[in-house]
Formats: sequence, C-alpha cells, structure tokens
Amino acid sequence: GAGVSQSPSNKVTEKGKDVELRCDPISGHTALYWYRQSLGQGLEFLIYFQGNSAPDKSGLPSDRFSAERTGGSVSTLTIQRTQQEDSAVYLCGGEDTPLNEQFFGPGTRLTVL
Amino acid sequence: AQSVAQPEDQVNVAEGNPLTVKCTYSVSGNPYLFWYVQYPNRGLQFLLKYITGDNLVKGSYGFEAEFNKSQTSFHLKKPSALVSDSALYFCAVRDREGGATNKLIFGTGTLLAVQP
Repeated sequence: GAGVSQSPSNKVTEKGKDVELRCDPISGHTALYWYRQSLGQGLEFLIYFQGNSAPDKSGLPSDRFSAERTGGSVSTLTIQRTQQEDSAVYLCGGEDTPLNEQFFGPGTRLTVL
Repeated sequence: AQSVAQPEDQVNVAEGNPLTVKCTYSVSGNPYLFWYVQYPNRGLQFLLKYITGDNLVKGSYGFEAEFNKSQTSFHLKKPSALVSDSALYFCAVRDREGGATNKLIFGTGTLLAVQP
C-alpha cells in the first residue's frame, strides 16, 4: 500500500465496552510499534513487534490492553473494559530497517464516554 | 534514562521570518535523533533525522536541524516560515538502551503558529 492505514479513524464507545483498533503497515516493514497520544501526556510507547520475535509489551498500561500481529503484517490493539482515561489517539508506526525513521498511520481517535 | 526535552509549548513567528523549535536530549552513547510534524487530525510525518555525519541535517519542506553534541541539542530551523508550517512538532530519540525494541522517545511537542 501507499502508507500505513489505521481503522477506524474515530471510535466512540461507552465505558466498560471492548474495542479493537487495526493497523495495516507498509508492506515489508517488519517492525511495528503502537503509541498512544493523550492530552497532556505526549506520545507514549505501548508495544513493539519485530518479525517472529516475542513482542515487547513493556509499555502497555494495564492488563486490559493487548495486541497481536498476524502473519507479520496487520496488527490489532484490543482494549477490554474501556475506561475514560483510555481516551486518546492511538498511533501505529512501522519501519523497514532497525533505527531508521518510522512511518506512522493517521491514528485512531478513541473516545470513551 | 534517555529523554528529550522541548522547552517551549508554543512558538509564534511571523510569515517570512526564520523559525527555531528547540530540542535538547539526554542519552548515553551516540544519539539517533528525529523530528516529526503533526498537522491537525493527521498522523506523524517524518521531517528529518540525525544518525551520524554532518551536524547540519536537511529535511522535508525546507526544514533543517543542527546537531550540537556539546550542548546536547538538536534544534529545528527554517530560514523563512510559511503559514502552512503551522503544526505540532515533535523531537524524538531512539531508545538504544531498551534492548531490541529501539522505540522512539518523544518530547512533549511544540506548537508552531505562523502568523500571516
């Protein structure tokens, strides 16, 4: 594809519901990152996938958050039992070579009511 | 711990004037530094990076940044600002102490407002 795509672009949900956010990276980008952009919090790392290696989940804020990457391509970030503090823009980024620049998708804006 | 700081929440500049957005870093070893720009309701776009070599790095849209090791700074500059440059700018450093992850550590962002 031409770039990183994310869906949905906007998601409004009620507190306590589960949500799934999708990221489709650029073909050939073996590394994939999820970040969260919150008002007043800046950008924070959530999780990292590299090829078939075990993901680095050290940035996930709680066990309500999980992510998977199927076939080394599409990734899904799942938030269970959403809370209002989960409201943020969730960004997905990928890179083709370690330490190179990352290419980001447009993000998913999550609003938890 | 590795970090970046953007001391200005907002920078205001008149169109046609030079602009500078400041960034300082704290890393062990040689830094891998990046600038990204975020336009309203858009994702992050890569502007430029410093890995090694010339201290003056040129990037997209006429932007450049100067790596200064003694001052641990990587300020973003442009000789003549455009109204269309108005956006949120993020400085970032690669976390090379995090094992294989090498995630980006971002500054808090600086809002650039260019007045016509």
